[in-house]
Amino acid sequence: AQSVAQPEDQVNVAEGNPLTVKCTYSVSGNPYLFWYVQYPNRGLQFLLKYITGDNLVKGSYGFEAEFNKSQTSFHLKKPSALVSDSALYFCAVRDPTKAAGNKLTFGGGTRVLVKP
Amino acid sequence: EAGVVQSPRYKIIEKKQPVAFWCNPISGHNTLYWYLQNLGQGPELLIRYENEEAVDDSQLPKDRFSAERLKGVDSTLKIQPAELGDSAVYLCASSLEGGQPYNEQFFGPGTRLTVL
Repeated sequence: AQSVAQPEDQVNVAEGNPLTVKCTYSVSGNPYLFWYVQYPNRGLQFLLKYITGDNLVKGSYGFEAEFNKSQTSFHLKKPSALVSDSALYFCAVRDPTKAAGNKLTFGGGTRVLVKP
Repeated sequence: EAGVVQSPRYKIIEKKQPVAFWCNPISGHNTLYWYLQNLGQGPELLIRYENEEAVDDSQLPKDRFSAERLKGVDSTLKIQPAELGDSAVYLCASSLEGGQPYNEQFFGPGTRLTVL
């Protein structure tokens, strides 16, 4: 069965500093990987995805993520965090093989707090 | 372009009462999902529709939950009777799949259900 782990419940960072949110995954096939962000009382918003090709993926709002197959990781990064980046971040994985049922599995989420 | 619309945004009911949630997906999106999100956790899939067909309802508690997607557009999720443990946020999402599982999902704002 596929799974996603976000080892940190919360990440605190000062505004202007680099931000990293960690994600590791487990699937039987080649994964499709996604990052979503959720602001209070809002639905999830898509940030970026990895399907194939270049391991470094760039997304919305200056975020990027690096796919590392050997470490089964897909960490989200931003070079310079903003206070407005404070939110709940979810990593998700999809195993496109038929046996996996085409299901998107989310991690438990990481709360990011950017302090001025 | 309008996003995924859900109503109501908030619902408070007494246990054993019925409740229904409505979702209007993004125009042209043939795939629709209902997720349950508990506080501070990632969404968990309840049911996935491809057009009118429920292709994955394995996580839907069928003794009390039901869903329908008439004409392959709007969808309704119903709980009858509601239990205290059903208190959560119910998210609807849609995507343009057509056999392409790498497409991102677009989420509505959710319905926050409180069962007293």
